Amino acid sequence: AQSVAQPEDQVNVAEGNPLTVKCTYSVSGNPYLFWYVQYPNRGLQFLLKYITGDNLVKGSYGFEAEFNKSQTSFHLKKPSALVSDSALYFCAVKGSSNTGKLIFGQGTTLQVKP
Amino acid sequence: SAVISQKPSRDICQRGTSLTIQCQVDSQVTMMFWYRQQPGQSLTLIATANQGSEATYESGFVIDKFPISRPNLTFSTLTVSNMSPEDSSIYLCSVVLGNEQYFGPGTRLTVT
Repeated sequence: AQSVAQPEDQVNVAEGNPLTVKCTYSVSGNPYLFWYVQYPNRGLQFLLKYITGDNLVKGSYGFEAEFNKSQTSFHLKKPSALVSDSALYFCAVKGSSNTGKLIFGQGTTLQVKP
Repeated sequence: SAVISQKPSRDICQRGTSLTIQCQVDSQVTMMFWYRQQPGQSLTLIATANQGSEATYESGFVIDKFPISRPNLTFSTLTVSNMSPEDSSIYLCSVVLGNEQYFGPGTRLTVT
């Protein structure tokens, strides 16, 4: 069965510092991995995805994620955090490209302090 | 990309009543998906709606409780029937276009 784990409920960083939000996954076959962000009272916004190719994926708002097959991880990173990055982040996986069934992690709240 | 709108954006309903949520997409898509996000929780797929056929429900969700319509390639509705406070959630419509999956803004439902 497919699953996603986000081991941290909350991540706190100071503005300007690098941030990492962790995600590990379990899926049979090749994974399709996604990061979404949810701001308060707003919908889910797509940040980036890994389908195939380069292990380092660059996405929206300066975020990037590194696919590590041996560690089954897909951590979200940003070199310099902004206060406006404070939001709820979800990692998600699906087992093939032609399905809409995403398995979501529990979410990690990112708090960036000035 | 796909732009998805949902109506209503939020509602407060009484126990035992039903609410129909509408989802409109600006592109024609084969499959539309309905997710639920309970308070403080992650997102869970309720069902997949294909145009011209019955929706496919995930484990734990049934058609009598969450009937879905899919009359054309750009529109779908989800009804939450005989509501109870446990149905208080955000309900999100989603589509796949290319290799990306897009979500609507959600409908925040509160059942009193």
